[in-house]
Amino acid sequence: GAVVSQHPSWVICKSGTSVKIECRSLDFQATTMFWYRQFPKQSLMLMATSNEGSKATYEQGVEKDKFLINHASLTLSTLTVTSAHPEDSSFYICSANGVVEQYFGPGTRLTVT
Amino acid sequence: KQEVTQIPAALSVPEGENLVLNCSFTDSAIYNLQWFRQDPGKGLTSLLLIQSSQREQTSGRLNASLDKSSGRSTLYIAASQPGDSATYLCAVRDDKIIFGKGTRLHILP
Repeated sequence: GAVVSQHPSWVICKSGTSVKIECRSLDFQATTMFWYRQFPKQSLMLMATSNEGSKATYEQGVEKDKFLINHASLTLSTLTVTSAHPEDSSFYICSANGVVEQYFGPGTRLTVT
Repeated sequence: KQEVTQIPAALSVPEGENLVLNCSFTDSAIYNLQWFRQDPGKGLTSLLLIQSSQREQTSGRLNASLDKSSGRSTLYIAASQPGDSATYLCAVRDDKIIFGKGTRLHILP
Protein backbone atom coordinates (compact mmCIF):
# COMPACT_ATOMS: atom_id res chain seq x y z
CA GLY A 1 0.00 0.00 0.00
CA ALA A 2 0.90 3.63 -0.17
CA VAL A 3 3.55 4.79 2.25
CA VAL A 4 4.05 8.14 3.90
CA SER A 5 7.28 8.85 5.75
CA GLN A 6 8.20 11.52 8.25
CA HIS A 7 11.57 12.82 9.25
CA PRO A 8 12.78 13.06 11.89
CA SER A 9 10.91 10.50 13.98
CA TRP A 10 11.82 12.39 17.12
CA VAL A 11 13.57 15.66 17.89
CA ILE A 12 14.59 17.58 20.97
CA CYS A 13 15.23 21.28 20.67
CA LYS A 14 15.81 24.25 22.91
CA SER A 15 13.17 26.85 23.54
CA GLY A 16 13.32 29.64 20.98
CA THR A 17 14.75 27.58 18.14
CA SER A 18 12.95 26.40 15.02
CA VAL A 19 12.36 22.83 13.95
CA LYS A 20 11.46 21.50 10.52
CA ILE A 21 9.52 18.26 10.02
CA GLU A 22 9.30 16.60 6.63
CA CYS A 23 6.43 14.53 5.28
CA ARG A 24 6.94 12.53 2.10
CA SER A 25 4.66 10.37 0.01
CA LEU A 26 6.97 7.62 -1.16
CA ASP A 27 5.18 5.93 -4.01
CA PHE A 28 2.43 8.29 -5.02
CA GLN A 29 1.84 11.95 -5.66
CA ALA A 30 -0.19 13.93 -3.18
CA THR A 31 -1.60 17.31 -4.09
CA THR A 32 -3.01 17.59 -0.60
CA MET A 33 -1.39 16.72 2.69
CA PHE A 34 -2.60 17.28 6.21
CA TRP A 35 -0.82 18.05 9.47
CA TYR A 36 -2.13 16.89 12.83
CA ARG A 37 -1.01 17.41 16.40
CA GLN A 38 -1.61 15.01 19.23
CA PHE A 39 -1.04 15.83 22.90
CA PRO A 40 -0.55 12.98 25.40
CA LYS A 41 -3.68 10.87 25.81
CA GLN A 42 -5.58 13.14 23.46
CA SER A 43 -6.85 12.56 19.96
CA LEU A 44 -5.43 13.94 16.74
CA MET A 45 -6.33 17.53 16.02
CA LEU A 46 -6.10 18.80 12.47
CA MET A 47 -3.77 21.79 12.27
CA ALA A 48 -3.73 22.61 8.59
CA THR A 49 -4.29 21.43 5.06
CA SER A 50 -1.27 21.70 2.81
CA ASN A 51 -1.88 22.18 -0.90
CA GLU A 52 0.87 21.78 -3.47
CA GLY A 53 1.74 25.08 -5.04
CA SER A 54 -0.51 27.21 -2.87
CA LYS A 55 -0.85 28.50 0.66
CA ALA A 56 -1.86 26.15 3.43
CA THR A 57 -5.25 26.39 5.04
CA TYR A 58 -5.07 26.57 8.82
CA GLU A 59 -7.69 25.43 11.30
CA GLN A 60 -9.15 27.90 13.73
CA GLY A 61 -6.80 28.62 16.60
CA VAL A 62 -3.62 27.49 14.81
CA GLU A 63 -1.07 30.27 14.35
CA LYS A 64 0.06 30.31 10.74
CA ASP A 65 3.12 32.40 11.52
CA LYS A 66 4.25 29.91 14.13
CA PHE A 67 3.57 26.75 12.16
CA LEU A 68 4.92 27.36 8.69
CA ILE A 69 3.85 24.88 6.05
CA ASN A 70 5.44 24.49 2.66
CA HIS A 71 4.23 22.04 0.01
CA ALA A 72 6.72 22.65 -2.75
CA SER A 73 6.33 19.38 -4.62
CA LEU A 74 3.80 16.61 -5.09
CA THR A 75 5.67 14.34 -2.72
CA LEU A 76 6.91 16.65 0.03
CA SER A 77 5.32 18.90 2.63
CA THR A 78 7.23 20.48 5.49
CA LEU A 79 6.07 21.86 8.81
CA THR A 80 8.36 24.31 10.56
CA VAL A 81 7.69 25.11 14.20
CA THR A 82 9.19 28.56 14.68
CA SER A 83 10.43 29.89 18.00
CA ALA A 84 9.41 26.69 19.69
CA HIS A 85 8.27 26.71 23.30
CA PRO A 86 7.72 23.83 25.73
CA GLU A 87 3.97 23.98 25.10
CA ASP A 88 4.69 23.05 21.46
CA SER A 89 5.97 19.67 22.64
CA SER A 90 3.68 17.17 21.00
CA PHE A 91 3.36 14.32 18.52
CA TYR A 92 3.00 15.65 14.97
CA ILE A 93 1.51 13.39 12.30
CA CYS A 94 1.07 14.08 8.62
CA SER A 95 -1.16 12.38 6.10
CA ALA A 96 -1.53 12.41 2.34
CA ASN A 97 -4.56 11.90 0.14
CA GLY A 98 -4.47 8.70 -1.82
CA VAL A 99 -7.03 7.64 -4.41
CA VAL A 100 -9.30 5.95 -1.89
CA GLU A 101 -8.09 6.89 1.54
CA GLN A 102 -5.65 9.01 3.45
CA TYR A 103 -2.32 7.51 4.37
CA PHE A 104 -0.68 8.53 7.61
CA GLY A 105 2.95 8.98 8.46
CA PRO A 106 4.49 7.38 11.55
CA GLY A 107 4.64 10.67 13.42
CA THR A 108 7.34 12.97 14.81
CA ARG A 109 7.72 13.46 18.52
CA LEU A 110 8.88 16.99 19.34
CA THR A 111 10.19 17.85 22.77
CA VAL A 112 11.07 21.47 23.48
CA THR A 113 13.26 22.01 26.53
CA LYS B 1 -19.13 21.47 11.99
CA GLN B 2 -18.47 17.74 12.08
CA GLU B 3 -18.03 16.21 15.53
CA VAL B 4 -17.03 12.65 16.25
CA THR B 5 -17.77 10.99 19.58
CA GLN B 6 -16.50 7.68 20.82
CA ILE B 7 -18.02 5.69 23.64
CA PRO B 8 -16.75 4.39 25.97
CA ALA B 9 -13.62 6.42 26.61
CA ALA B 10 -11.99 3.40 28.23
CA LEU B 11 -12.82 -0.26 28.47
CA SER B 12 -11.34 -3.26 30.28
CA VAL B 13 -12.50 -6.76 29.47
CA PRO B 14 -11.19 -10.26 30.17
CA GLU B 15 -9.37 -12.07 27.43
CA GLY B 16 -11.60 -14.05 25.11
CA GLU B 17 -14.64 -11.81 25.32
CA ASN B 18 -16.27 -10.18 22.33
CA LEU B 19 -16.63 -6.41 22.53
CA VAL B 20 -18.08 -3.45 20.69
CA LEU B 21 -16.69 0.05 20.38
CA ASN B 22 -19.02 2.85 19.37
CA CYS B 23 -18.54 5.92 17.22
CA SER B 24 -21.05 8.60 16.32
CA PHE B 25 -20.78 11.62 14.05
CA THR B 26 -22.98 14.66 13.60
CA ASP B 27 -22.90 15.25 9.83
CA SER B 28 -23.87 12.28 7.69
CA ALA B 29 -22.37 13.78 4.50
CA ILE B 30 -19.16 11.79 4.68
CA TYR B 31 -17.02 10.07 2.08
CA ASN B 32 -15.90 7.30 4.37
CA LEU B 33 -15.26 6.25 7.95
CA GLN B 34 -12.07 4.64 9.15
CA TRP B 35 -11.05 2.82 12.30
CA PHE B 36 -7.46 3.04 13.49
CA ARG B 37 -5.42 1.49 16.22
CA GLN B 38 -2.75 3.42 18.07
CA ASP B 39 -0.28 1.89 20.49
CA PRO B 40 1.29 4.14 23.15
CA GLY B 41 3.80 6.54 21.67
CA LYS B 42 3.26 5.19 18.17
CA GLY B 43 1.57 6.27 14.96
CA LEU B 44 -1.70 5.08 13.50
CA THR B 45 -2.46 1.65 12.09
CA SER B 46 -5.43 1.57 9.76
CA LEU B 47 -7.79 -1.28 10.62
CA LEU B 48 -10.86 -0.89 8.45
CA LEU B 49 -12.15 1.66 5.96
CA ILE B 50 -15.85 1.82 5.13
CA GLN B 51 -16.91 3.85 2.12
CA SER B 52 -20.12 5.88 2.46
CA SER B 53 -21.94 3.44 0.16
CA GLN B 54 -20.96 0.43 2.25
CA ARG B 55 -22.55 -1.04 5.36
CA GLU B 56 -19.67 -3.00 6.83
CA GLN B 57 -16.16 -4.25 6.43
CA THR B 58 -14.47 -7.26 7.95
CA SER B 59 -10.87 -8.17 8.58
CA GLY B 60 -10.07 -11.24 10.64
CA ARG B 61 -11.58 -10.82 14.09
CA LEU B 62 -12.64 -7.26 13.35
CA ASN B 63 -15.93 -6.13 11.90
CA ALA B 64 -16.93 -2.52 11.40
CA SER B 65 -20.40 -1.35 10.52
CA LEU B 66 -21.63 1.98 9.25
CA ASP B 67 -25.12 3.48 9.46
CA LYS B 68 -24.59 6.79 7.74
CA SER B 69 -28.15 8.01 8.08
CA SER B 70 -28.05 7.73 11.86
CA GLY B 71 -24.43 8.83 12.12
CA ARG B 72 -23.17 5.71 13.81
CA SER B 73 -20.45 3.12 13.43
CA THR B 74 -19.40 0.18 15.55
CA LEU B 75 -16.19 -1.81 15.71
CA TYR B 76 -16.72 -5.37 16.82
CA ILE B 77 -13.75 -7.34 18.11
CA ALA B 78 -14.24 -11.08 18.49
CA ALA B 79 -12.37 -13.29 20.90
CA SER B 80 -10.27 -10.47 22.33
CA GLN B 81 -6.58 -11.01 23.07
CA PRO B 82 -4.11 -9.11 25.27
CA GLY B 83 -2.41 -7.93 22.09
CA ASP B 84 -5.57 -6.05 21.19
CA SER B 85 -4.87 -3.61 24.03
CA ALA B 86 -4.47 -0.17 22.44
CA THR B 87 -6.38 3.01 21.74
CA TYR B 88 -8.93 2.71 18.94
CA LEU B 89 -9.72 5.83 16.96
CA CYS B 90 -12.68 6.46 14.70
CA ALA B 91 -12.33 9.06 11.96
CA VAL B 92 -14.75 10.38 9.36
CA ARG B 93 -13.81 12.04 6.12
CA ASP B 94 -15.67 14.81 4.38
CA ASP B 95 -13.33 17.44 2.93
CA LYS B 96 -10.95 16.56 5.73
CA ILE B 97 -10.61 13.85 8.35
CA ILE B 98 -12.01 14.44 11.82
CA PHE B 99 -11.03 12.08 14.63
CA GLY B 100 -12.87 11.02 17.73
CA LYS B 101 -11.07 11.06 21.07
CA GLY B 102 -10.64 7.31 21.03
CA THR B 103 -11.42 4.36 23.24
CA ARG B 104 -8.57 3.01 25.39
CA LEU B 105 -8.98 -0.73 25.40
CA HIS B 106 -7.32 -3.01 27.93
CA ILE B 107 -7.65 -6.77 27.59
CA LEU B 108 -7.04 -8.54 30.86
CA PRO B 109 -5.00 -11.76 30.56
